[in-house]
Amino acid sequence: DAGITQSPRYKITETGRQVTLMCHQTWSHSYMFWYRQDLGHGLRLIYYSAAADITDKGEVPDGYVVSRSKTENFPLTLESATRSQTSVYFCASSDNRQGAGGGLNQPQHFGDGTRLSIL
Amino acid sequence: QQQVKQSPQSLIVQKGGISIINCAYENTAFDYFPWYQQFPGKGPALLIAIRPDVSEKKEGRFTISFNKSAKQFSLHIMDSQPGDSATYFCAASPVNAGNNRKLIWGLGTSLAVNP
Repeated sequence: DAGITQSPRYKITETGRQVTLMCHQTWSHSYMFWYRQDLGHGLRLIYYSAAADITDKGEVPDGYVVSRSKTENFPLTLESATRSQTSVYFCASSDNRQGAGGGLNQPQHFGDGTRLSIL
Repeated sequence: QQQVKQSPQSLIVQKGGISIINCAYENTAFDYFPWYQQFPGKGPALLIAIRPDVSEKKEGRFTISFNKSAKQFSLHIMDSQPGDSATYFCAASPVNAGNNRKLIWGLGTSLAVNP
């Protein structure tokens, strides 16, 4: 099915471990984003990517690493997990074509999230 | 620094009532203002969006009102239904931002519509 999928949906790990969250989209969207969602903080951008091999930091990038070797995949790695990284993580993608009504903005399409608990 | 301020944090409305969520922004370079709706266990999804060349946009029961001089925009949900119970996020970004497609998000409003 077309869309954006995240895996795993739930993950429990321990502090200090490396963990990778996967994101795959089938639309060939140029842009992909990683957010974390925490109570009281809304959605905070971790990293984003404008195309394969082009990534940039968002608002809260410390402790996270991303890569984008293929357009459809955008994995997020926590190199050494900490309790403060317990959160719900969302991946999103958007097209780069002209949006409705002019301009370049296209909707961001979100996955259903990964709930990550770090003990 | 919160560039998009959203209020209220939570809202309870009776079925059939009007739900109103407000957002204010500071950056005059913003000229794309979407609203996203998020149900529990799901990611946010675009609900409706507006550009500042119009003061109002309506899609079904959902209306965005935009006040450029006040740098404020709001979401109105008419005839609110229990199925509208969700978290609503406002956001903003520059339209022609080159490679920077980042949205600046409000903190969200949790809406509960009582039957």
